Amino acid sequence: NFVLIQPHSVSESPGKTVTISCTRSGGSIGSHYVHWYQQRPGTSPTTVIYEDKQRPSGVSDRFSGSLDTSSNSASLTISGLKTEDEADYYCLSFDGRFWVFGGGTKLTVL
Amino acid sequence: QVQLQESGPGLVKPSETLSLSCAVSGVSMQSYCWAWIRQSPGKGLEWIGYIYYSGSSYYNSSLESRVTISIDRSKTQFSLNLRSATAADTAVYFCAGAVAGSSPLIDYWGPGILVTVS
Repeated sequence: NFVLIQPHSVSESPGKTVTISCTRSGGSIGSHYVHWYQQRPGTSPTTVIYEDKQRPSGVSDRFSGSLDTSSNSASLTISGLKTEDEADYYCLSFDGRFWVFGGGTKLTVL
Repeated sequence: QVQLQESGPGLVKPSETLSLSCAVSGVSMQSYCWAWIRQSPGKGLEWIGYIYYSGSSYYNSSLESRVTISIDRSKTQFSLNLRSATAADTAVYFCAGAVAGSSPLIDYWGPGILVTVS
């Protein structure tokens, strides 16, 4: 099994750019796709990035995803931060048949 | 319009079995795997397991000894049984549908149901 490690929280000002990392401990980050979910309080998660860097239709192009094999991590970058981006963000990846979520990152836009 | 809806008791006694169902509408169940995910109060998402339309199922190793996921094709629903529940199983339980593949993408989520073990 493996673990996906995310920072517990990040904060940034409106209009700025923030990057949330998701580091894989055990196995290669490139072995399976990474998906990213946004969850606002009291709601179900929604997809903001899938397959490492693809953006679903309807998701702002301020959201982007990438992989860094040197650090064995995936990243979610949000540019031009808006207060509406304040939420929890989770990465999800896989090990064969098994799913693993990262611990989640609380984004505060202040 | 695809809809998933969890149902079941909101309160379960310790040592009893936590049983939930998820009704699926608006999509063919055959192309997806159907998952249960939970979120303890104030905590992150935890994958419980999933099942294919064929009936093959896979579980989180930390819960595998207590979990069974089943599918009822005639009713287009799938279910979760979690035996020997404890207070640590108190959580919001989400059902979800993911496109089957080597890196399944969750396309559909239910609204979630809070289950308290007490």
